[in-house]
Amino acid sequence: AQKITQTQPGMFVQEKEAVTLDCTYDTSDQSYGLFWYKQPSSGEMIFLIYQGSYDEQNATEGRYSLNFQKARKSANLVISASQLGDSAMYFCAMREGPGAGGTSYGKLTFGQGTILTVHP
Amino acid sequence: DTGVSQDPRHKITKRGQNVTFRCDPISEHNRLYWYRQTLGQGPEFLTYFQNEAQLEKSRLLSDRFSAERPKGSFSTLEIQRTEQGDSAMYLCASSLRRTYEQYFGPGTRLTVT
Repeated sequence: AQKITQTQPGMFVQEKEAVTLDCTYDTSDQSYGLFWYKQPSSGEMIFLIYQGSYDEQNATEGRYSLNFQKARKSANLVISASQLGDSAMYFCAMREGPGAGGTSYGKLTFGQGTILTVHP
Repeated sequence: DTGVSQDPRHKITKRGQNVTFRCDPISEHNRLYWYRQTLGQGPEFLTYFQNEAQLEKSRLLSDRFSAERPKGSFSTLEIQRTEQGDSAMYLCASSLRRTYEQYFGPGTRLTVT
């Protein structure tokens, strides 16, 4: 069974500083994908960044980068130069691989989230 | 706006009533997912459609829940005989490929009184 663990219920960061949000995962699949989503207070889930299990380089998207350590099964999100608008809930999610049965429809398993607060 | 849309955004209903939610995915996306999110938790998968076929259902989807996607376009999620435990945010997402990111709608927040 897939499992995502986010151990930081809340994080605080000063504006313009960098912050790392932790995510560890557990899977027996060789092929899988890891995602980070942002959920502001409005409720909509906003896709931030994706890392495939076979990708050798860490993913980057603007101020977001994903620190992927496959052997440790971690996929931490790094936000550089934090902005006030970054204050939100952040979810790490994993897309399952085909598994032994050879069928996967791409459903996501989410962690419990980390609330990030950016102080001015 | 060409994103995923959901209707209604909020629904308050009394226990025992039936409710129906609608999701309109991004037009070229053939994959559609429903998730449920309770307060303080991450979303949990409910069901998946590929075109009009419902290919996967979670054990969370009790027999009071039914979902459809006629003609492979919009989807509806119906909850019959609602219970207070059904109070949650119901999120719809669509995707073009299994390996691609899923784009989420704004959600329907259900409150059962």
